[in-house]
Amino acid sequence: GAGVSQSPSNKVTEKGKDVELRCDPISGHTALYWYRQSLGQGLEFLIYFQGNSAPDKSGLPSDRFSAERTGGSVSTLTIQRTQQEDSAVYLCASSSGSYNEQFFGPGTRLTVL
Amino acid sequence: KNEVEQSPQNLTAQEGEFITINCSYSVGISALHWLQQHPGGGIVSLFMLSSGKKKHGRLIATINIQEKHSSLHITASHPRDSAVYICAGPQATSGTYKYIFGTGTRLKVLA
Repeated sequence: GAGVSQSPSNKVTEKGKDVELRCDPISGHTALYWYRQSLGQGLEFLIYFQGNSAPDKSGLPSDRFSAERTGGSVSTLTIQRTQQEDSAVYLCASSSGSYNEQFFGPGTRLTVL
Repeated sequence: KNEVEQSPQNLTAQEGEFITINCSYSVGISALHWLQQHPGGGIVSLFMLSSGKKKHGRLIATINIQEKHSSLHITASHPRDSAVYICAGPQATSGTYKYIFGTGTRLKVLA
């Protein structure tokens, strides 16, 4: 596609359920990033992939969060046993290299009831 | 102390004014990214720079590596420039990678 796409655009779930968020980066972009923005707050870095590997997972908020990237393309962010504080917009971005300009997707708005 | 600091936090300008937003960053951040976020949340990348100056339309970004300081300038500002402007940068050391964001500058341009 022409840009970064994310699905779903909106997700409402009940506390304790697992959710999976998907990101399709721009074709050929080797670097992929996940961020989170809670309501009224700034952007928070979660994780970065170069190819299929993530050199540093320390940005993930808790061990309920995990992310993977397969085939150097699509990435999924999984949140297990969701909590209300997980409610936020989850943004994905991709770039042609880790020090190159990033292109952002539209985000997934997650609401945990 | 945040590793990326922006000023001002809020800025109101009249249409046509020249606007400057400043960003200071810490050791270990090797490139600076300027982002724009409109109400409704979409994020647009404006510039990524590691040296010198870049220009796109009415927007100009400069960076001083020695002083670890970058500025975003908007010439002939317009109400459609109203948005939150964010500077950010990658901080990578052996085995670690983080992307550090400033707190953002909320700009309102009045007609």
